[in-house]
Amino acid sequence: TQLLEQSPQFLSIQEGENLTVYCNSSSVFSSLQWYRQEPGEGPVLLVTVVTGGEVKKLKRLTFQFGDARKDSSLHITAAQPGDTGLYLCAGPTYNQGGKLIFGQGTELSVKP
Amino acid sequence: DSGVTQTPKHLITATGQRVTLRCSPRSGDLSVYWYQQSLDQGLQFLIQYYNGEERAKGNILERFSAQQFPDLHSELNLSSLELGDSALYFCASSESQGVKYNEQFFGPGTRLTVL
Repeated sequence: TQLLEQSPQFLSIQEGENLTVYCNSSSVFSSLQWYRQEPGEGPVLLVTVVTGGEVKKLKRLTFQFGDARKDSSLHITAAQPGDTGLYLCAGPTYNQGGKLIFGQGTELSVKP
Repeated sequence: DSGVTQTPKHLITATGQRVTLRCSPRSGDLSVYWYQQSLDQGLQFLIQYYNGEERAKGNILERFSAQQFPDLHSELNLSSLELGDSALYFCASSESQGVKYNEQFFGPGTRLTVL
């Protein structure tokens, strides 16, 4: 069974701090996606990483896919209150129409 | 705006009742996915349709059913509702059912409250 484990589950930091969220699995994924979700709203796709070792940047957010394609990380530089939300990593399964498996999420709170 | 629409936004009903949630995918997307999100279970995959046919099933209860119509919109039917069915229900769509990328775009969700 493919599983994705995210850490930490909760993160509360001050504006301006840096942080890293991890997404780990014992299984290989063909790609991993990161979503951000605000309370009461649907997840919004931030990025898809495809190649082992790939690094993608989205303004102050840096996403990395592990060399073995079993893990990924999200690093936020100089966090702002607007970054507050639930961050979810997800990956497609191999044998079920490409359905996504989601990690349990990291709840980030950035205080001004 | 993801381009995926869901109605209604909120739904309050009583135990034992039946409700229907509706989803319209992004223009051109053939795959529709339904998810349930509750505080203690996270985002759980329920079922997927591709171009009108069921493609994958997840942790969907027998009291729940879904279908995708020729115009590609989808409906999720929940019957004999229980208190524990209270949750956010999301619909997502993607271009295809390919495994490699399968980027999914989520609707705003329907918040179901069962009293």
